[in-house]
Amino acid sequence: DADVTQTPRNRITKTGKRIMLECSQTKGHDRMYWYRQDPGLGLRLIYYSFDVKDINKGEISDGYSVSRQAQAKFSLSLESAIPNQTALYFCATSGHRVTDGYTFGSGTRLTVV
Amino acid sequence: LAKTTQPISMDSYEGQEVNITCSHNNIATNDYITWYQQFPSQGPRFIIQGYKTKVTNEVASLFIPADRKSSTLSLPRVSLSDTAVYYCLVLMDSSYKLIFGSGTRLLVRP
Repeated sequence: DADVTQTPRNRITKTGKRIMLECSQTKGHDRMYWYRQDPGLGLRLIYYSFDVKDINKGEISDGYSVSRQAQAKFSLSLESAIPNQTALYFCATSGHRVTDGYTFGSGTRLTVV
Repeated sequence: LAKTTQPISMDSYEGQEVNITCSHNNIATNDYITWYQQFPSQGPRFIIQGYKTKVTNEVASLFIPADRKSSTLSLPRVSLSDTAVYYCLVLMDSSYKLIFGSGTRLLVRP
């Protein structure tokens, strides 16, 4: 089993719909992250959480919300999807020393039509 | 946070050594240099990290000169499966987030 599992892998949704992307990890780490990647670009941070009671906005949090249901689970919601949220979304986890490296999931490809 | 500059793309052939250089002129004393690899439709994968001189693991080597203003990722004898985007990042141990540039797109040809 993968260390970081994201569901669904692919999703097509309509403008205005609410959608949730789910992430779970088996690394036992406290820190979890949601990143977005647009074609040909690097990843940008949406939200991050250092523990179950901690939620922080990243650089592009508008239009998104998150929920940290447990140490191992961190979900991302699009309250009212719009076409420019079409992107590849990655969940990741890390230990307290970020220099130990991040572990990313395989991503969710979201298309908003 | 130190800004990094790396080539947009590189081509190579199977069996060759590939060196990807990254410039980070504003690197701070507490910064580490980290490289990630990303295959299409997959999340980035941590491959190597260093602070100074040379680091080697089973995947790659990382060369860092004394002034630390640049670093070179070396991939020995690449294969087709090394075709990927390679990201150079600079971050402090106390950092919480990764800042990705556009990376270097490496294409390995038969």
